[in-house]
Amino acid sequence: AQSVSQHNHHVILSEAASLELGCNYSYGGTVNLFWYVQYPGQHLQLLLKYFSGDPLVKGIKGFEAEFIKSKFSFNLRKPSVQWSDTAEYFCAVNANTGGFKTIFGAGTRLFVKA
Amino acid sequence: GAGVSQSPSNKVTEKGKDVELRCDPISGHTALYWYRQSLGQGLEFLIYFQGNSAPDKSGLPSDRFSAERTGGSVSTLTIQRTQQEDSAVYLCASSSRGGTGTEAFFGQGTRLTVV
Repeated sequence: AQSVSQHNHHVILSEAASLELGCNYSYGGTVNLFWYVQYPGQHLQLLLKYFSGDPLVKGIKGFEAEFIKSKFSFNLRKPSVQWSDTAEYFCAVNANTGGFKTIFGAGTRLFVKA
Repeated sequence: GAGVSQSPSNKVTEKGKDVELRCDPISGHTALYWYRQSLGQGLEFLIYFQGNSAPDKSGLPSDRFSAERTGGSVSTLTIQRTQQEDSAVYLCASSSRGGTGTEAFFGQGTRLTVV
């Protein structure tokens, strides 16, 4: 069965620091990869997604993620975080394991100090 | 509708009671998911409906949990004989199809508190 691991549960950064959140998945076939974000008091929303093609994917608000197939990874990055990036970030995998259900990681809570 | 709608937004129930949580997906979306979000547990997959196919129930934590989807649209998640460990936010999501590369759109969730 597919699974998703996020390495950091809590991250605290100062504004302008660089961000990298790790994500690894366990499925060996074709996958579709997502990062979702949940801002305080808001519902989950899509940050970016990878289906095929260029493994470096750019999303909203200056976020990007790189798919490295050999490492089963899809890490999220941002060169310079802002206080408004404080949120919880979820990595997700959608794969054909008898149905295309989407499985999420445990999430990473990011707190950016102003 | 414009988005995924869940009701109620908050539910407090006594231990041992049954509860029903409702989800109205985006019109036309054939795939529907239920997830549970607990503090420190991330998003736990519960059940997945795709069109007329048999639902994937592999994430339901016990036989006290069940879900149905009527007419390929509205879904109800039922928890029987609720326990305190069932307290969590229950999230519903829908997507235009369950296949490759589809984004899931989430509702605001139902916060369930079992006292």
